[in-house]
Amino acid sequence: QVQVLQSGAEVRKPGASMKVSCRPSGYTFSHYDINWVRQASGQGLEWIGWVNPVSGNTVYGQKFQGRVSLTTNTPMNTAYLELRNLRSDDTAIYYCSTVRTGGGFYLDYWGPGTLVTVSS
Amino acid sequence: QSVLTQPPSVSAAPGQKVTISCSGSGSNIGNNYVSWYQHLPGTAPRVLLYDTDKRPSGIPGRFSGSKSGTSATLDITGLQTEDEADYYCGTWDTSLSAWVFGGGTKVTVL
Repeated sequence: QVQVLQSGAEVRKPGASMKVSCRPSGYTFSHYDINWVRQASGQGLEWIGWVNPVSGNTVYGQKFQGRVSLTTNTPMNTAYLELRNLRSDDTAIYYCSTVRTGGGFYLDYWGPGTLVTVSS
Repeated sequence: QSVLTQPPSVSAAPGQKVTISCSGSGSNIGNNYVSWYQHLPGTAPRVLLYDTDKRPSGIPGRFSGSKSGTSATLDITGLQTEDEADYYCGTWDTSLSAWVFGGGTKVTVL
């Protein structure tokens, strides 16, 4: 059975960086890309990007280009989201998920989310 | 402004049917499969449908999907109180080289 764990809540000051981890289990980590999404309070789901655990190749949402890094540590079965130069509007719940492929892509197993608060 | 357009809200009584539309363009829905997600804020979203109309194991048959041209639809029949949640469509956008979501639709069970 696939389970996805994420790191705990963070509080950061504007201009600082955040780093959230995502640790799936129950399948071979290298088999599926890891996707990241966030949701600010009262807003919808916003796509950040995804990373291939084998190649390290990434695809980023245009809004986050230059400020985000998605990485993986395959021996540790862990993926990371780093977002730099934080602003107050980065306050959100950050979710990771696996990316599956049927005929097309879809976001299959999701983590419980990590609340990141950016406040001075 | 989301690339995919959904109605902000729909509602119906228990046992009734609701339909949620998701409108896009040729670079996303028109040429790619659509998936649908159910989300209770503060909890993990879950995939309801993938490849437009396929249900993962454990998803009830009252959830169904379809696509026509550049629009997709999620139907929930036999609405239950536990279906009260936010619903999002999503797909790959070939022109943007990005995953795109709809703005979300809040389903209220009257």
